[in-house]
Amino acid sequence: GAVVSQHPSWVICKSGTSVKIECRSLDFQATTMFWYRQFPKQSLMLMATSNEGSKATYEQGVEKDKFLINHASLTLSTLTVTSAHPEDSSFYICSAPVGGTGPNREQYFGPGTRLTVT
Amino acid sequence: AQSVTQPDIHITVSEGASLELRCNYSYGATPYLFWYVQSPGQGLQLLLKYFSGDTLVQGIKGFEAEFKRSQSSFNLRKPSVHWSDAAEYFCAVGARGSYIPTFGRGTSLIVHP
Repeated sequence: GAVVSQHPSWVICKSGTSVKIECRSLDFQATTMFWYRQFPKQSLMLMATSNEGSKATYEQGVEKDKFLINHASLTLSTLTVTSAHPEDSSFYICSAPVGGTGPNREQYFGPGTRLTVT
Repeated sequence: AQSVTQPDIHITVSEGASLELRCNYSYGATPYLFWYVQSPGQGLQLLLKYFSGDTLVQGIKGFEAEFKRSQSSFNLRKPSVHWSDAAEYFCAVGARGSYIPTFGRGTSLIVHP
């Protein structure tokens, strides 16, 4: 099946600094990617839809100036957490759909990035 | 908007025992339904999905799930659990035409030897 990678797998940063997380589709092209946030023992919450060559679409309540998304190529989307604070500590997961627009379309998920802000 | 409830936070079973993980959804029409498994260090993996047709869906790794419209449920089952099945399991519902699933909070499966 399709493979989605994320880098780094974990990162620790100091409060006030920015952190960039990469999401790559390794063996397919993805014009769309999705970014999720997962709190411990909780559900995955969709943060934004990343669109290649255009602006990302953010879900209600997600600060677009804090979570900058860039989808510069068909295989790479980046999420930058700007001026990170401890409350931004979380597990960030990306996904990319494969299979067109029909029922066979499937989401492939990256392994996630654990962000800890101290 | 659609929503998913997984009432069990943790489930503990003995290896070789049968398993049923509960999932209830809320959606105004027939939804798309999914079960994913999340293991440490790995991305969510799709176990099975229901779009239409036969309400009993077979998935990978010996899992199956049954869509029951009258109960708004999509419970996941496995007849005999292996230690390697220990993981976090997520039920998800998708609105028709959306393909972006809404996830439940997950159920952590613990397998005793």
